Amino acid sequence: GAVVSQHPSRVICKSGTSVKIECRSLDFQATTMFWYRQFPKKSLMLMATSNEGSKATYEQGVEKDKFLINHASLTLSTLTVTSAHPEDSSFYICSARDPGLDTGTQYFGPGTRLLVL
Amino acid sequence: GQNIDQPTEMTATEGAIVQINCTYQTSGFNGLFWYQQHAGEAPTFLSYNVLDGLEEKGRFSSFLSRSKGYSYLLLKELQMKDSASYLCAVRDSNYQLIWGAGTKLIIKP
Repeated sequence: GAVVSQHPSRVICKSGTSVKIECRSLDFQATTMFWYRQFPKKSLMLMATSNEGSKATYEQGVEKDKFLINHASLTLSTLTVTSAHPEDSSFYICSARDPGLDTGTQYFGPGTRLLVL
Repeated sequence: GQNIDQPTEMTATEGAIVQINCTYQTSGFNGLFWYQQHAGEAPTFLSYNVLDGLEEKGRFSSFLSRSKGYSYLLLKELQMKDSASYLCAVRDSNYQLIWGAGTKLIIKP
């Protein structure tokens, strides 16, 4: 299957700082990437859909100014958590859809665990 | 509204067979996915069904009945490493993925 990387895998930061998470498709070009967050023992929650060369589409209730998404190339999307607070602590996972596959399957990165102190 | 239902938790014995059910009510249907997620890790793709019937892939099989809004994931010859959460997701008419809450599968020796 397609390979998606994510960096960093784990980050601890102080409240009020900003954190950038990178998501890369390694062996395919992804026009669309997705950002999820997941709280312990809870299901995945889609935050936004990242479209290369255009603005991201955010899900209802997700603050655009707090979670900045940039999809500047066909292999890279970034999520920046601005002015992070302890309630932003979560597991953030990106996924990318391989347009070369008819099924449109989403392949996930390994995730980033964010802890805001 | 859109809804995906799957059991919260199941327990099975090593070497046995287990079936994890998923029922859905969505606005349109464009495929159903099963993912495996180990604790603390991201989901990994297991299977995709868009037509009725059974798709077999090694020890794992996935079944779909669109008329019943129903799917199951069948795991055979269970191994301890199969202990994980199994997520059912349906792609609706807008090609959005609707996620179930996942079924935590516990394998006992």
